[in-house]
Amino acid sequence: GAVVSQHPSWVICKSGTSVKIECRSLDFQATTMFWYRQFPKQSLMLMATSNEGSKATYEQGVEKDKFLINHASLTLSTLTVTSAHPEDSSFYICSAGTGNQPQHFGDGTRLSIL
Amino acid sequence: KQEVTQIPAALSVPEGENLVLNCSFTDSAIYNLQWFRQDPGKGLTSLLLIQSSQREQTSGRLNASLDKSSGRSTLYIAASQPGDSATYLCAVGGNTDKLIFGTGTRLQVFP
Repeated sequence: GAVVSQHPSWVICKSGTSVKIECRSLDFQATTMFWYRQFPKQSLMLMATSNEGSKATYEQGVEKDKFLINHASLTLSTLTVTSAHPEDSSFYICSAGTGNQPQHFGDGTRLSIL
Repeated sequence: KQEVTQIPAALSVPEGENLVLNCSFTDSAIYNLQWFRQDPGKGLTSLLLIQSSQREQTSGRLNASLDKSSGRSTLYIAASQPGDSATYLCAVGGNTDKLIFGTGTRLQVFP
């Protein structure tokens, strides 16, 4: 079945650094990918829609300058958390899918900012 | 704005019980509804996808129903097992492929 790979699975870094998370669709082309954020014991919150070849569409309240999204190809989208601070610590998950097919999710990235 | 709610928020049952998890959504204009399973610290595994024109989907011990007009879906788990312990999330999809997730039900099945 379709697989979405997310890397890294866990990252710890100092406050003020930027962190890049990759989301790859391994066996299908994804013109659209989605980025979600999940706080402990809470549900997933959609952050933005990543569109291949064009700018991402951000949900209300999500800072586009803080969370940079690049959809470089039909199989790769990246999320860069710029100048990360402790409040950015969270679990970030990407997904990809088209039309009436189930969305496929990556295994998530746990980001811890010290 | 679409809002998705799941009841109960948490559930603890002995092995072997049949379970019903509930999902409700405020805007009935959906394209599909999907049920997912999430293990602690992990991503999501898709369990069942119901298109808006469908009433139910079945996979093994799982059965999901959809009543679009009333804004409800249920996930039925037959003969629960300890391995079913996880968080179950429902999500509704519109015409943009975006998913709006419910609040989740944390299930624990004890031996």
